[in-house]
Amino acid sequence: AAGVIQSPRHLIKEKRETATLKCYPIPRHDTVYWYQQGPGQDPQFLISFYEKMQSDKGSIPDRFSAQQFSDYHSELNMSSLELGDSALYFCASSLSTSGDTGELFFGEGSRLTVL
Amino acid sequence: DAKTTQPNSMESNEEEPVHLPCNHSTISGTDYIHWYRQLPSQGPEYVIHGLTSNVNNRMASLAIAEDRKSSTLILHRATLRDAAVYYCILSLPNTGNQFYFGTGTSLTVIP
Repeated sequence: AAGVIQSPRHLIKEKRETATLKCYPIPRHDTVYWYQQGPGQDPQFLISFYEKMQSDKGSIPDRFSAQQFSDYHSELNMSSLELGDSALYFCASSLSTSGDTGELFFGEGSRLTVL
Repeated sequence: DAKTTQPNSMESNEEEPVHLPCNHSTISGTDYIHWYRQLPSQGPEYVIHGLTSNVNNRMASLAIAEDRKSSTLILHRATLRDAAVYYCILSLPNTGNQFYFGTGTSLTVIP
């Protein structure tokens, strides 16, 4: 069965550069979530999209932006990168039914290293 | 967001049952209780979720207190592959909700 695909798997950037992470949700899933997980930390919710519209925002820095496209893939854009942005970034997708988030399926993550 | 409280760590012997507790005293009537686990350097993995009644699946069982202020994830026979961080999460009933991970329980399985 198709899973959530994230690219790139690894990315190395310099401070003040920009980075873009991509997420391809499971077909027919209507909700996409982005998480950031620093070393030894728990996953932190950044932002979510439902049917291509931004749904909820968590602790996403102003330097970051995200969107979901007509084909349902999502991109997380990060600008003015800082050392503290080095983390694993996870994307997840789900199919919501009325009153229930359902199961979130996570990708393998994109590891961003900022030097 | 509704809060959950879990012990930081627990140990279990291999092939014995494990009961992982979670307190969620501020849960609202429509919050679902979810459990996920995460192995090192991997994405979180769904374990089980429920609303009011106890739930069973091939991975685990979820026991929900009658007042819904606490729940317990039950692994019937712990294996070494069950060593992970287990997260208890409350979700709001709206679509695209803020699905927050708190501080989970790190489970060590002793051979």
